[in-house]
Amino acid sequence: SYVLTQPPSVSVAPGQTARITCGGNKIGSKSVQWYQQKPGQAPVLVVYDDSDRPSGIPERFSGSNSGNTATLTISRVEAGDEADYYCQVWDTNNSHPLFGGGTKLTVL
Amino acid sequence: QVQLVESGGGLVKPGGSLRLSCAASGFIFSDYYMNWIRQAPGKGLEWVSYISSGGSSIYYADSVKGRFTISRDNAKNSLYLHMNSLRAEDTAVYYCARESPLIVGGTDAFDIWGQGTMVTVSS
Repeated sequence: SYVLTQPPSVSVAPGQTARITCGGNKIGSKSVQWYQQKPGQAPVLVVYDDSDRPSGIPERFSGSNSGNTATLTISRVEAGDEADYYCQVWDTNNSHPLFGGGTKLTVL
Repeated sequence: QVQLVESGGGLVKPGGSLRLSCAASGFIFSDYYMNWIRQAPGKGLEWVSYISSGGSSIYYADSVKGRFTISRDNAKNSLYLHMNSLRAEDTAVYYCARESPLIVGGTDAFDIWGQGTMVTVSS
């Protein structure tokens, strides 16, 4: 079955750029979504269709997807960006969604 | 405003049953596919089940197939998850989530989530 691989943690200083990766076999041929989950809260969609942002999500959040890696990039990182981030694709064979294991973003 | 509110969680013994509910408001519930997604304590997100807008198409994760039943009542703007033969590994926060393509022809995403309801399976 299809597997999405994320690094368990990423650390970045405030004001710097954070890049969170999501690896999968030929993931570039799939559409990737990214969700942000702060402690004790429900997930929030921050990027859909690889690189689009829902209304209300800051332009600092962007996404890309090519080959075997999709990337969520957060520019000018703020303390409030500290959260777990999950990538998600659709397993078209089984018609259900798959989530990566999640990456904890720590703002130093 | 657009909102999903889950209820029905609690403590149940192994082998027991529970019914979760999700009340939708602020949007035309009957237009949307709906899902249950769970998160075990300290773990990642796991998709549980999906139901189409009219209820005719349903899918389950292998881990719950045969034990859980998803349903909806569009007249009551409500989504349900009937859980039987519960196991310790079913302990998790259960979220209902709206599935929607954010652009015409785009891929579906989970754009609205409830706050979650905690299910604990323990003797």
